[in-house]
Amino acid sequence: AQSVTQPDIHITVSEGASLELRCNYSYGATPYLFWYVQSPGQGLQLLLKYFSGDTLVQGIKGFEAEFKRSQSSFNLRKPSVHWSDAAEYFCAVGAPTGFQKLVFGTGTRLLVSP
Amino acid sequence: GAVVSQHPSRVICKSGTSVKIECRSLDFQATTMFWYRQFPKQSLMLMATSNEGSKATYEQGVEKDKFLINHASLTLSTLTVTSAHPEDSSFYICSASKRGVSYEQYFGPGTRLTVT
Repeated sequence: AQSVTQPDIHITVSEGASLELRCNYSYGATPYLFWYVQSPGQGLQLLLKYFSGDTLVQGIKGFEAEFKRSQSSFNLRKPSVHWSDAAEYFCAVGAPTGFQKLVFGTGTRLLVSP
Repeated sequence: GAVVSQHPSRVICKSGTSVKIECRSLDFQATTMFWYRQFPKQSLMLMATSNEGSKATYEQGVEKDKFLINHASLTLSTLTVTSAHPEDSSFYICSASKRGVSYEQYFGPGTRLTVT
């Protein structure tokens, strides 16, 4: 069975500083990998996804993530955080079986300090 | 765009009553809709998957007679919590996927259910 671990429950970053949110997964093969952001009152929004190919994936809002097979990781990064990035971030995995089910991590709450 | 709405955004009901939550895809046809439950400070847990015109597929441990899902059209799915109890209080989120767009789910803003 697939599982996703986001070891950091919350992270505080100063505005303008860089950000890295960690995500580790457990799956027998290479899964499909996703990062979503959840803001209050809004639905989860897809930031980026990895299916195959280049292991460095660019997403929206200046985010990127790198798939590292050897570490079973898919960490999310942003070089300079803005106050509007404060939100809950979820990593998710899907098995390439065609059933389109996603398994989510427990999320990391990002706080941005002035 | 791919917008999914949910109604209501918040609902309070008394124990023993039923409550219906609607999920609509506003600008696309949703071949598959998903229902999740999110507990405070926890992850989204998939409850069921439904395809238009078919019976929903429930995840293990989810009572299908308690959480009735109807996917009546390509733009509407409903979740009915029957005989609700306080332990059913939670945040319920739906998502929808488009035909031909694999694995990309578009999420609604969620419904906060409180059972008193």
